[in-house]
Amino acid sequence: AQSVTQLDSQVPVFEEAPVELRCNYSSSVSVYLFWYVQYPNQGLQLLLKYLSGSTLVKGINGFEAEFNKSQTSFHLRKPSVHISDTAEYFCAVSDFSGGYQKVTFGTGTKLQVIP
Amino acid sequence: DGGITQSPKYLFRKEGQNVTLSCEQNLNHDAMYWYRQDPGQGLRLIYYSQIVNDFQKGDIAEGYSVSREKKESFPLTVTSAQKNPTAFYLCASIYGTAGNTIYFGEGSWLTVV
Repeated sequence: AQSVTQLDSQVPVFEEAPVELRCNYSSSVSVYLFWYVQYPNQGLQLLLKYLSGSTLVKGINGFEAEFNKSQTSFHLRKPSVHISDTAEYFCAVSDFSGGYQKVTFGTGTKLQVIP
Repeated sequence: DGGITQSPKYLFRKEGQNVTLSCEQNLNHDAMYWYRQDPGQGLRLIYYSQIVNDFQKGDIAEGYSVSREKKESFPLTVTSAQKNPTAFYLCASIYGTAGNTIYFGEGSWLTVV
């Protein structure tokens, strides 16, 4: 069974400061990892994803994430946040077994950027 | 434009009534999903379907039912057996095999009074 843990439910950070949102996962098979962002009352949008290859993945809006297999982590980072980054961020893991593709999400981290 | 359409956006129902949420996609995606979102609990998987006429229970399937009679459609019925049905419901779909991006509809707010 797969699972995703986002330890921080809320992260306040001042504008232009760096931020890291943490994500740890578990799975019995090879996985694919994603970060999504959700603005209020909307669906989720893809920020970035890791499928294979380089462990450092760059996404939209200046975000990047690093896959660490030994620590089973996929933390999201941004060197300098903007007010518009205020949103909820979800880490997700996807695997394909038994003919089914299952996607499991974490509980989310609310990023609050303080002016 | 291609996308996932959920309807209605807002729905109010009395306790004890079944309600069906619609999800239609014109992306030619194979797999479709229903998630429930509650504050502090993230997205929890209700049901998912890889092909027509086949679907699997997710982590919180009790009190819900689905059908997949057409590739483009995956309606979710919230039955009276669901203890706490008030929530934000998200439909999603994926094209092809593992590793592809999951795309979401705009969601449906269900309030049961």
